[in-house]
Amino acid sequence: DTAVSQTPKYLVTQMGNDKSIKCEQNLGHDTMYWYKQDSKKFLKIMFSYNNKELIINETVPNRFSPKSPDKAHLNLHINSLELGDSAVYFCASSPAQGLDQPQHFGDGTRLSIL
Amino acid sequence: SQKIEQNSEALNIQEGKTATLTCNYTNYSPAYLQWYRQDPGRGPVFLLLIRENEKEKRKERLKVTFDTTLKQSLFHITASQPADSATYLCALGRGSSASKIIFGSGTRLSIRP
Repeated sequence: DTAVSQTPKYLVTQMGNDKSIKCEQNLGHDTMYWYKQDSKKFLKIMFSYNNKELIINETVPNRFSPKSPDKAHLNLHINSLELGDSAVYFCASSPAQGLDQPQHFGDGTRLSIL
Repeated sequence: SQKIEQNSEALNIQEGKTATLTCNYTNYSPAYLQWYRQDPGRGPVFLLLIRENEKEKRKERLKVTFDTTLKQSLFHITASQPADSATYLCALGRGSSASKIIFGSGTRLSIRP
């Protein structure tokens, strides 16, 4: 009965590979997000979708491509992985757009690039 | 550029005392401020939200203040317990666009018995 679940929890891969991270929320929320948490623990927003529609696309390399097949799912595909992509990636959801909406986070995917 | 600073990387408090965490910001005028708790290996968990026209918000043993003149928020945990040990993040935002959300790097709080 996990509210926001993302898989895999750990991802270890080599530079240059392509990988995907999946996220699902069972809260009935309209808005979903991807965040990156770097080694200094700063959380930075990458993308936001509202009802399957992209509404925020921060300055992120175009090697990162989100896909939302329905409003309960937001997946993240990363092409040509680089060393600097190593981080923890968090998926989150909120009832609607706007910072006055509490965000519900998944437990993160720790991506390590060898 | 916009900047958030949380008072220290780590804070050690004796059980039963009040823990006070600070979130300072510069070059920003947030409309909302949120506090989250993050445990090791887990995602952040929402605790409280306070708006720019609110001075104080309470929830059980938690209290948040928001001073837009000082550009500062204080987060208090009264009667602290070892189970309160975690990293606490503040996040600021303005308007309805989530792209304006900025997170601090957090303060690691340890409550010793």
